Amino acid sequence: DIQMTQSPSSLSASVGDRVTITCRASQSISSYLNWYQQKAGKAPKLLIYTASSLQSGVPSRFSGSGSGTDFTLTISSLQPEDFATYYCQQSYSTPWTFGQGTKVEIK
Amino acid sequence: QVQLQESGPGLVKPSQTLSLTCTVSGDSISSGSYYWSWIRQPAGKGLEWIGRIYASGTSNYSPSLKSRVTISIDTSKNQFSLTLSSVTAADTAVFYCARERRQGIHYGVFDSWGQGTLLTVSS
Repeated sequence: DIQMTQSPSSLSASVGDRVTITCRASQSISSYLNWYQQKAGKAPKLLIYTASSLQSGVPSRFSGSGSGTDFTLTISSLQPEDFATYYCQQSYSTPWTFGQGTKVEIK
Repeated sequence: QVQLQESGPGLVKPSQTLSLTCTVSGDSISSGSYYWSWIRQPAGKGLEWIGRIYASGTSNYSPSLKSRVTISIDTSKNQFSLTLSSVTAADTAVFYCARERRQGIHYGVFDSWGQGTLLTVSS
C-alpha cells in the first residue's frame, strides 16, 4: 500500500492568513493526488484533483501543486468557512489511501 | 446532480455481519462511467477505503478487509451494497458511499459522497 503522510497534523491560523499543508507519498504517484475538505459531522468534499486541478465550484483561493512524492495544498486567504480538516488521497494505485488529516483551527 | 444515500441498521452485535446499502439518484449506476466505492471513518480518525464496484459487477477490495468484505450492485434499483462479516468493535465507524470518477488513466477521484451512516458494533 502507498502511505500518505500529511504535515502538520493541526495548525492555528487567522482569517486572511495564507495556509499551506504538505502531503508526502511513500513512493512516486506522479500527479495522482487529490485533496478533500471535511467539516465536523459532514462528508468530505473534493477540492483539488490530480494535484492542481480545481474541482468545479471550489473557490480559487484553494490551489494545489506538486508531483512525484511531495504535494502542497495552499489556501491563499483563509476564510471563516475554511476551518475544517483537510485530507490528501492518492489515486495512483489501489488500495486508495488517505493522509491522516490536517485540522485547521481558528487562532 | 447526483445524490447518494446510505442506509443500514445502525447497531450490529459482535461477530455478526453488517449490511449497508447506498441508493443513487440523479445518475444511472449502470452508465459505466464511474466506480462506486465504500469508505469508512472511525470517530475522530481518518478515512479508510474499503472497496468498489463497477456496473459490470467487477469489484476491488482493500487487502486489509478483503477476507470479510463483499460489495454488490443492483442496477435495477440503482443501488450498491456492502457486507462486512465477523464484525468487532474496531469496525465501529461512519460508513460513506461515494462515486469514483476517472481522471487521466486512473480512477480514484471521489467527487460525490453520501452523508454517511454511523454503524456501532456492540452487544
